[in-house]
Amino acid sequence: DTEVTQTPKHLVMGMTNKKSLKCEQHMGHRAMYWYKQKAKKPPELMFVYSYEKLSINESVPSRFSPECPNSSLLNLHLHALQPEDSALYLCASRVRAVIAQGLEAFFGQGTRLTVV
Amino acid sequence: KQEVTQIPAALSVPEGENLVLNCSFTDSAIYNLQWFRQDPGKGLTSLLLIQSSQREQTSGRLNASLDKSSGRSTLYIAASQPGDSATYLCADTGGFKTIFGAGTRLFVKA
Repeated sequence: DTEVTQTPKHLVMGMTNKKSLKCEQHMGHRAMYWYKQKAKKPPELMFVYSYEKLSINESVPSRFSPECPNSSLLNLHLHALQPEDSALYLCASRVRAVIAQGLEAFFGQGTRLTVV
Repeated sequence: KQEVTQIPAALSVPEGENLVLNCSFTDSAIYNLQWFRQDPGKGLTSLLLIQSSQREQTSGRLNASLDKSSGRSTLYIAASQPGDSATYLCADTGGFKTIFGAGTRLFVKA
């Protein structure tokens, strides 16, 4: 199983709503990532979790709150978002968050988020 | 600091043509160069991973090469098909952070 599963596939939320994105992998990977991708742009890194601990936060606004409750699951909690936060949110995983050869990155299919 | 560049930004070819997508990077101390495919509105599908100790990798009609000394990787697609139409991204995935190129949007005409 080389799959990273993201739910929901699509999400529409108002600026006062609270919602969560979910990402799951069962490959035994201990590094998990959240990316944000705008149309016709490459993915931008938001957060990196290594062994369930937040190791990198790319100065993301506090209205995005990540959580890694166990080694298989990664959540992104959303609150008071702005319309400009509308984007494709991608989750990825790797065996480890280290500098090394052969650590292939696997991506999920993304959640298409629209903030109205 | 690693920078990854992809040229061309967009490419349109007739079906059946062999084609090459280019990726260049500034830091030759690269550990992994990974090629991805992305369909519109979808996630990234890993196509090939080339480790720094390797020169190339092949999967079906795809062949990717890595030349660290020149800071270049190429993705060769043989006998292109309309189903190959997508955006192709190369990335340095060997560090703490993945560094992506901006992608090449490929359109294969039937």
